[in-house]
Amino acid sequence: DAGVIQSPRHEVTEMGQEVTLRCKPISGHDYLFWYRQTMMRGLELLIYFNNNVPIDDSGMPEDRFSAKMPNASFSTLKIQPSEPRDSAVYFCASSLRLAGTDTQYFGPGTRLTVL
Amino acid sequence: QQQVKQSPQSLIVQKGGISIINCAYENTAFDYFPWYQQFPGKGPALLIAIRPDVSEKKEGRFTISFNKSAKQFSLHIMDSQPGDSATYFCAATDSWGKLQFGAGTQVVVTP
Repeated sequence: DAGVIQSPRHEVTEMGQEVTLRCKPISGHDYLFWYRQTMMRGLELLIYFNNNVPIDDSGMPEDRFSAKMPNASFSTLKIQPSEPRDSAVYFCASSLRLAGTDTQYFGPGTRLTVL
Repeated sequence: QQQVKQSPQSLIVQKGGISIINCAYENTAFDYFPWYQQFPGKGPALLIAIRPDVSEKKEGRFTISFNKSAKQFSLHIMDSQPGDSATYFCAATDSWGKLQFGAGTQVVVTP
C-alpha cells in the first residue's frame, strides 16, 4: 500500500484566499484524522471521521475551517478565508479502528503558508 | 492545555550515547502510551508503545520505562546513532482512542 497520500505537499497563498487540502487514507481503514502541527501548539487533532461520518470536530479552531469525507478514499480540509495564523503543517492520518492500540498512520503533511 | 507533558524540548547526544526523554500525565483514564518518531519533512510514525500494566518494553535499542504510580513514562535510546536524529513525541490515549501528544523532543545525535 502507498500509505496515506496528501496533496499538495506545499501551499502558499495570500490572506483571504480559500485553501483546500486533500487526503487519501489507507485502503480499508475506517478512521481518518486531520491534525495541525505548529511550533507553538504542537500536534493538535482537528477532526476525525468514522466510515466517512464526522465524529468529533471539537478541535476545529473556527468556522473558517471545514472538513468533508465524501467517500472512503477521499477527504478534504478547507480553510475559507485563510489567515496568516493558519500557517502550519497539516497532517492526515488513518487507522483501522479507533481503539487506543490501533496505530495511526500519518501522511507526509501539507505545509501551508498564508502570506 | 497539553494533557501530556514532555521534556526536554531538545537534546544533543554523541553517537553511542543514551538519549532519555521523559513524559508525564494526569489523566488516569489513559491506558495506552505510544511514542512516535518524526523525521524532517515526514509525518510522525509509531516507534514503540506500552500499556500501563507493564513497567518496561524494549524493542531493539529503544526502551520505554513506565511508572504507573508516578504517572510518568520515558523513552531511552541506547547506543544512539546519527540516523536516530529526529523529533520524538510521547502520546497517550484512552478507550476512545484519541491521541494526546506531548510537545515533542528534538534529538540530535552527533557523529
